[in-house]
Amino acid sequence: EDKVVQSPLSLVVHEGDTVTLNCSYEVTNFRSLLWYKQEKKAPTFLFMLTSSGIEKKSGRLSSILDKKELSSILNITATQTGDSAIYLCAVGGAQKLVFGQGTRLTINP
Amino acid sequence: SQTIHQWPATLVQPVGSPLSLECTVEGTSNPNLYWYRQAAGRGLQLLFYSVGIGQISSEVPQNLSASRPQDRQFILSSKKLLLSDSGFYLCAWSASPHTGELFFGEGSRLTVL
Repeated sequence: EDKVVQSPLSLVVHEGDTVTLNCSYEVTNFRSLLWYKQEKKAPTFLFMLTSSGIEKKSGRLSSILDKKELSSILNITATQTGDSAIYLCAVGGAQKLVFGQGTRLTINP
Repeated sequence: SQTIHQWPATLVQPVGSPLSLECTVEGTSNPNLYWYRQAAGRGLQLLFYSVGIGQISSEVPQNLSASRPQDRQFILSSKKLLLSDSGFYLCAWSASPHTGELFFGEGSRLTVL
């Protein structure tokens, strides 16, 4: 059965800190790995990583896919209170997109 | 541009009552449509997906059902709600089935009492 595991489940840091969120997966016929940010209601898309695009960056956020280790990390540098959210990792395999449990990130001022 | 609408946003229903959540997509044709449920503190669980009108695949056996009467309309229903049906329901669409970027509606929070 396809599986996606995120860690940590919860993280509290101070504004300005750098955080690293982890996502590991076991899926049949890996096709893509996606990161989403969920603040209140609808998750919003951050990055999609594939075999042909294993590193993405947007401002203070960056993500790397390690196909050998079957994992990905999401880095956020110089965190701000607006980064507080649940970060979801999802992996597309042969049959469907499977989501991890999410990491709840809290940035304290 | 494409938009997705989902309603109602909040719903409180007694056990045993029926349910209907509706989702519509605008600005695209033949979207892949999904219903997810998110329990508190957990990730998203795929309930149903549809690649076309009348084509529904169920991921989790339960007392919920889905229908797609029109190309851009997706409905989640139940004849009799259970307490365990409480949760946050999200509708989503994608251009590529199962592997591409998902665009989510604002969600419907269902409380069954």
